[in-house]
This record gives sequence, structure tokens and C-alpha cells, in this order.
Amino acid sequence: AQRVTQPEKLLSVFKGAPVELKCNYSYSGSPELFWYVQYSRQRLQLLLRHISRESIKGFTADLNKGETSFHLKKPFAQEEDSAMYYCAQANAGGTSYGKLTFGQGTILTVHP
Amino acid sequence: KAGVTQTPRYLIKTRGQQVTLSCSPISGHRSVSWYQQTPGQGLQFLFEYFSETQRNKGNFPGRFSGRQFSNSRSEMNVSTLELGDSALYLCASSQGTGSEKLFFGSGTQLSVL
Repeated sequence: AQRVTQPEKLLSVFKGAPVELKCNYSYSGSPELFWYVQYSRQRLQLLLRHISRESIKGFTADLNKGETSFHLKKPFAQEEDSAMYYCAQANAGGTSYGKLTFGQGTILTVHP
Repeated sequence: KAGVTQTPRYLIKTRGQQVTLSCSPISGHRSVSWYQQTPGQGLQFLFEYFSETQRNKGNFPGRFSGRQFSNSRSEMNVSTLELGDSALYLCASSQGTGSEKLFFGSGTQLSVL
């Protein structure tokens, strides 16, 4: 079974510091990978999609097939980045049709 | 463009009852997926409907079922409710052509007493 692991439940950084949220996946092929974010009292929304390089708010993520990782990074964290972040994977080839496997999520808190 | 709409927002039921949740996708989206979110298990995929047909299914018991109508609106039904069914149920819509971006609703919070 596919598995997505986010080892950190909680992550705290100060404003202006770099931030990295870790994500490891288990799919042996070439998965399609996403980061979704949920800000306080808002809906879950797409933050970044590997295949299209679509990204918002200055976040990037690099796929490392050797380490099966897809860590999310931002060089200078802002207070408004405080949120719950989910890493998710879908089957390669566009056949997942809405079926994503999510990690458990990481709560990021950016202190002033 | 209106977002994904889920009704009702909150539901309280007792064990053994059944419940129906509704989801209206973004206009033009033909795929609707359902997820269960709990503190312990996180987000888990239930099923996905496209053009009124279930196209993908997660590992949930048969008490969980769904359907999709010709206007792409979808309903999810849970029969014989158990305490463990208490969760936030999220619906997501997309165009349904592949592993594209999902647009999520605000969810229905179900409490089973």
C-alpha cells in the first residue's frame, strides 16, 4: 500500500528563518506529488504540485527519487505561513482520479 | 466561480442511524471525491465518482456508499453508524481527467453519539 510519511507533527520557526517540512513517499514508480495547506478556518487547498511546478507563496519542493522524498522549503518564513501542511501522492500516469494518499500533516508555526 | 459546497455543516446522530451528506462541485467539474478526516487516521480516501459512476474506491466497509447525479452533485451515505464514524467528511471536486488539482469543500462534521 502507498504510504506518505511526514515525520514532524509540529514545527516551529521564527519569522525570516528558512523552513523545511519533510515528506517521504513509498511509491516505487514515479508518483505525482503534491503539498496541500490548510490555514486557520480555511479550506484545504493546493500549495504546490510537482508535475506542473505550480506553487504559491514562495514555497518549492524537489523530488528526490533516491531518497523517495519531496520536502517542502521556503527560504524566509512569514507569520502568515503558519498552517497545517499535508504532503500527498497520486499514482503516476494520471490514473488516480481524485484518490490521493495523504501524510499525517505537519503544523507549522512561525513566531514573530 | 462558486466553490465546492457541502451540506450540512454539522450533524449529530446516534449509533445505528444512517446519514446522508451532500456535495455540490465547482461548475464544470465532473469528478467528486470523498475523504474522511480524523485526528488519529488523518485524511483517508473513501471513493470517487465521475459521470455518475464510481471510478475509484478506498478501503472502507460497505456501510459507506455514495452516488453522483447527472448534474455532478454527489451524496455520501453511511448506514448503521458507529461511534468511530465520527469525523470530518470532506468532498473535493476536479475536472476528472487525471491526477489534477483537487478543490476541497469545508466539510461536514459528523458526530455519532
